[in-house]
Amino acid sequence: GQQVMQIPQYQHVQEGEDFTTYCNSSTTLSNIQWYKQRPGGHPVFLIQLVKSGEVKKQKRLTFQFGEAKKNSSLHITATQTTDVGTYFCAVRDDKIIFGKGTRLHILP
Amino acid sequence: SAVISQKPSRDICQRGTSLTIQCQVDSQVTMMFWYRQQPGQSLTLIATANQGSEATYESGFVIDKFPISRPNLTFSTLTVSNMSPEDSSIYLCSVDILYGYTFGSGTRLTVV
Repeated sequence: GQQVMQIPQYQHVQEGEDFTTYCNSSTTLSNIQWYKQRPGGHPVFLIQLVKSGEVKKQKRLTFQFGEAKKNSSLHITATQTTDVGTYFCAVRDDKIIFGKGTRLHILP
Repeated sequence: SAVISQKPSRDICQRGTSLTIQCQVDSQVTMMFWYRQQPGQSLTLIATANQGSEATYESGFVIDKFPISRPNLTFSTLTVSNMSPEDSSIYLCSVDILYGYTFGSGTRLTVV
């Protein structure tokens, strides 16, 4: 099945700095999804990418799917304390398989 | 999008006992999924539950330990049987909402 590796595992940034998490696969992915999980909360679906080279934006969040469909990234511009949480990439087939996540911590 | 009510939200259980977790969805869905999330870890799929058929379990999870019921298209239960401290975790149900998954709020289980 499709598998994804996610880096970094943890990231500490000063409030206002940018943040990026990366998701990589050794095989071509049919799609990539991104979820956010706030501390003590449950995962919340953010977006799905399916096209090679696709770029989508949600306010300060920019999602990219690589040209070869083997990698993806989530970039947050000018982080805010509300961005704290763990960001998971996931691949959807007949079920969804999650990456290990990147835990974002914001320093005030 | 679907709304899932999951209960209990948390429980502390004695080892050797069983706990049944319930998920109610506000719309009919074909498949429901049960995940386990250990502290600070990612989500691991336990099983997929289809209405009217036996659940499909992932490697490392067995029906005797995690029996699942799916009596209709809006409801499912997961039982954690003969619990041990290693079963302490968060258990989440989820449904497919066309693109992404919607999750229940989770059940935080502590086995003592």
